[in-house]
Amino acid sequence: GAGVSQSPSNKVTEKGKDVELRCDPISGHTALYWYRQSLGQGLEFLIYFQGNSAPDKSGLPSDRFSAERTGGSVSTLTIQRTQQEDSAVYLCASSLGIVTGELFFGEGSRLTVL
Amino acid sequence: DAKTTQPPSMDCAEGRAANLPCNHSTISGNEYVYWYRQIHSQGPQYIIHGLKNNETNEMASLIITEDRKSSTLILPHATLRDTAVYYCIVRVKAAGNKLTFGGGTRVLVKP
Repeated sequence: GAGVSQSPSNKVTEKGKDVELRCDPISGHTALYWYRQSLGQGLEFLIYFQGNSAPDKSGLPSDRFSAERTGGSVSTLTIQRTQQEDSAVYLCASSLGIVTGELFFGEGSRLTVL
Repeated sequence: DAKTTQPPSMDCAEGRAANLPCNHSTISGNEYVYWYRQIHSQGPQYIIHGLKNNETNEMASLIITEDRKSSTLILPHATLRDTAVYYCIVRVKAAGNKLTFGGGTRVLVKP
């Protein structure tokens, strides 16, 4: 597709379960970002990938959160042993490079932890 | 990155120009001003960015003061679909710098 694609769009899980969220960036975009947005809150940076460089993981809130980007394209954000405070919309964005500030965001994956 | 200050909310009339202010008094010489907006239940959308000169595109105009301590995003003819949260962000345009979103301005366009 032409835009950033995220799946699932909605995920409901039980506390303690692991979840995986997928992001398919715009073709040719070398930079990929994950943000999250809790209800009524602003966007919180989680992690970004740029080409083959080591990812910037400085925003990951705990070691239960991890992300991978395979083949420089699709990325998966994994949350282990989910907690209720993990409930949020997880947004993925991509850009042509890390220098440009023009990010293209997906529609997000809404995670609800019961 | 320099901090920005925006009013938490503002209303504007449909068909009129909407002028959204942003203060960034601690901006440094190599920091750009970016504007994004987020319509309800959607991901943020890039609008425009600039360094010193005023900028215009199909969505909006960006006016940056001469001392660069503040800027104004102008939506020339606001429509109901422009109702959104508008974020003003300052950022060095260099590798390793991520966008940091603040609280933004919640703009309500009224008929």
